[in-house]
Amino acid sequence: QVQLVESGGGVVQPGRSLRLSCAASGFTFNNYGMHWVRQAPGKGLEWVAVISFEESNTYYADSVKDRFTISRDNSKSTLFLEMNSLRVDDTAVYYCVKDLEEYNYEYLFDYWGQGTLVTVSS
Amino acid sequence: SYFLTQPPSLSVAPGQTARMTCGGAKVGTLRVQWYRLQSGLAPVLVVYDGSVRPSGIPERVSGANSGDTATLTISRVEAGDEGDYYCQAWEGSSDHVAFGGGTKLTVL
Repeated sequence: QVQLVESGGGVVQPGRSLRLSCAASGFTFNNYGMHWVRQAPGKGLEWVAVISFEESNTYYADSVKDRFTISRDNSKSTLFLEMNSLRVDDTAVYYCVKDLEEYNYEYLFDYWGQGTLVTVSS
Repeated sequence: SYFLTQPPSLSVAPGQTARMTCGGAKVGTLRVQWYRLQSGLAPVLVVYDGSVRPSGIPERVSGANSGDTATLTISRVEAGDEGDYYCQAWEGSSDHVAFGGGTKLTVL
């Protein structure tokens, strides 16, 4: 069965960096676009970024553009999110999410990890 | 930007029907998904493309999408249906991924 396991969350000071990882299994990772979605404490869901199956295309929410970088290692079925210049309002649970569509991404999120908590605080 | 609006809460007695709405301009022209979030568990896709149930989602869960409103209906509600339900769509002209604010379903 599909499994997505995030890691790398923790407490970090404003302005610092953090790298999240997501280990994927149970499906052909390199055939699917992958996303990060986050949920701030007491708030709703917010889409963060997407990367195409072959790594050629990436897109970001305006709130993280130029600060966050999504990447993937298809040889290791692993998704990453490099977060720089972190702000207090980046505090959230970050979910690794698989797109439903093969060889494309349509922003349909069919499998989610359990999430990793990132806390930005001084 | 594109916005989806959901009522913040809904309470339903066991065995009754829960209907949750998701409002947005011409949302009936978009591919709408519904997700269930429960504490301690990974979020679950319960309906995609407005009305399609993924495998493992029971038939008492259904979706509809037309005009300016998408609806998620859960018949014969059970305690295990409690959680926060979010609608979501991608709006192409603005290239915006929108989530509704979520509806907290409480089973009385």
